[in-house]
Amino acid sequence: DIQMTQSPSSLSASVGDRVTITCQASQSIGNFLGWFQVKPGKAPKLLIYDASISDTGVPSRFSGSGSGTDFTFSISSLQPEDIATYYCHQYDSLPHTFGQGTKLEIK
Amino acid sequence: QVQLQESGPGLVKPSQTLSLICTVSGGSVTSGGFFWSWIRQRPGKGLEWIGYIYYSGRSYYNPSLESRVSISKDTSNNQFSLHLTSVTAADTAIYYCARSGGARAPTESWGQGTLVTVSS
Repeated sequence: DIQMTQSPSSLSASVGDRVTITCQASQSIGNFLGWFQVKPGKAPKLLIYDASISDTGVPSRFSGSGSGTDFTFSISSLQPEDIATYYCHQYDSLPHTFGQGTKLEIK
Repeated sequence: QVQLQESGPGLVKPSQTLSLICTVSGGSVTSGGFFWSWIRQRPGKGLEWIGYIYYSGRSYYNPSLESRVSISKDTSNNQFSLHLTSVTAADTAIYYCARSGGARAPTESWGQGTLVTVSS
């Protein structure tokens, strides 16, 4: 299985801050990586797919980059509604695997 | 816009079979090219991909669960199902159903998830 190492596991930031999360794959996955936002009681929401493409309707403050084994997800200006847990997800090979998640909180 | 909704018992006894149904609206489980997945999140853990069933009916499972899991679909009711046998407390989790656009495509649509607790 491809292991996805995501960091940090938690993050506290102020409204307006730039936030960055990283994800490292145990082997190359090309650009077959997505980023999800998960809020309690709600359906997980796909934000970024193919490493850097924003899904339809996703605010422009969310972005992703990287390829191969190293990936980055950023929020350019943190908003209160961004409080959630974020996961990376590789879909290059089976079984699909996820990072351990980053819980984002407002300072 | 496709919507998915999980349903099933919230409490299952140890050693029994966990069975969940995902009802799909705004799309068809027989639509070409789509993969219909089950994913879970155990307490304090990250997300775990359980497996998926292709529109043709072929299924793929996580090797860690393969001996206990099966996924099937009911085209007449536009649903797909998860069955997990011989459950233990370690199978307590929020179970999500989801859809992806292909074998190497992101899981772009998810249900809200349903909590299943394994306890006597």
